[in-house]
Amino acid sequence: DQQVKQNSPSLSVQEGRISILNCDYTNSMFDYFLWYKKYPAEGPTFLISISSIKDKNEDGRFTVFLNKSAKHLSLHIVPSQPGDSAVYFCAASARGTYKYIFGTGTRLKVLA
Amino acid sequence: DGGITQSPKYLFRKEGQNVTLSCEQNLNHDAMYWYRQDPGQGLRLIYYSQIVNDFQKGDIAEGYSVSREKKESFPLTVTSAQKNPTAFYLCASSPGPVATEAFFGQGTRLTVV
Repeated sequence: DQQVKQNSPSLSVQEGRISILNCDYTNSMFDYFLWYKKYPAEGPTFLISISSIKDKNEDGRFTVFLNKSAKHLSLHIVPSQPGDSAVYFCAASARGTYKYIFGTGTRLKVLA
Repeated sequence: DGGITQSPKYLFRKEGQNVTLSCEQNLNHDAMYWYRQDPGQGLRLIYYSQIVNDFQKGDIAEGYSVSREKKESFPLTVTSAQKNPTAFYLCASSPGPVATEAFFGQGTRLTVV
């Protein structure tokens, strides 16, 4: 049972435009959500997170939106740059637990 | 500087052999994790440890074993019972159960030959 889902395996965006990556979750106990960026043959690097007490968190070009009623979060990258081309994973965890549950990832390609 | 070190980066194993992947962290984190990445399947949790001398099975623990004798170290053994061991293995650590991010190592690519 996939508790965290990224339904778009890939996404292509023109340089300078907005990239929107989506993530859905099923477990209502999740209260902390993270986005990671991963290049091939490397470990994921942390991008941005959001707690369930917020509906938006912004860090430079990256903004994460959380819609708790829809159990949906999204990552916006504005403006997109060729260096943003990577696989993006969303992850979720529940308060008091140590487990991070990851989605299957979305491969973003930013076209110059 | 602080971080997570996985070794080796590439590992080849013959069928039927056990192999141990190393993971060391100097971040003073309590929790450590092992994930496996396969194409199209994201990161799946193998084992995790909340504290020294304690660990729990993740979603795909069969065929794997771990130990946590020191806070800094969380080695993963891939046993001969693991049916499809060829994968990219990632170790991570986090400070604890409060809302915070996990930090990852650079991974070990294991190939069964």
